[in-house]
Amino acid sequence: DTEVTQTPKHLVMGMTNKKSLKCEQHMGHRAMYWYKQKAKKPPELMFVYSYEKLSINESVPSRFSPECPNSSLLNLHLHALQPEDSALYLCASSQDSLTGGLTGANVLTFGAGSRLTVL
Amino acid sequence: DAKTTQPPSMDCAEGRAANLPCNHSTISGNEYVYWYRQIHSQGPQYIIHGLKNNETNEMASLIITEDRKSSTLILPHATLRDTAVYYCIVYGRGSTLGRLYFGRGTQLTVWP
Repeated sequence: DTEVTQTPKHLVMGMTNKKSLKCEQHMGHRAMYWYKQKAKKPPELMFVYSYEKLSINESVPSRFSPECPNSSLLNLHLHALQPEDSALYLCASSQDSLTGGLTGANVLTFGAGSRLTVL
Repeated sequence: DAKTTQPPSMDCAEGRAANLPCNHSTISGNEYVYWYRQIHSQGPQYIIHGLKNNETNEMASLIITEDRKSSTLILPHATLRDTAVYYCIVYGRGSTLGRLYFGRGTQLTVWP
């Protein structure tokens, strides 16, 4: 299995709703990432988990709450979002984020994304 | 912040080689050059990476200058399905460790 699976593909939510985005990989990767991508812009890094611990938070507002229950799963809990949070949310994984492994290289595998619309 | 400079757009005739340039003059010795592409509304797809030597795989070739300050991604026989945004990224051990940042990329359009 060489894929990163994201669910749901599309999500519409109101500003008072609580929802979650899910990401799963079975490649044995120990690093997982959340990116946010607005239309016609490059992906922006949000969070990095390494060995199931949060290692990087790019000053993301607390209405986004990541969770890594195990090495294969990554969730992004959403609460009290704003319409400007509407975007494509991308999950990625890699073998190792903090050392790049033996070679120092670190190839990320991305999922297809979850498109979020906040009304 | 992205450490690379790419032209915002390029086009290429189908069947011809597409050569996408990237400047990364501040690259450090332990940073790799990576190329990803993103077809409209899909997740980014890894293409190739290199440190010092030129690299080739089934998708593309990567040519890195001797001083490592620039590189070129070559798609040898471009097809319509190669139309995408191509991102050149430098990343490795050091201050950016764990932080793989995307720049604006190059929109490649392949014409029939």
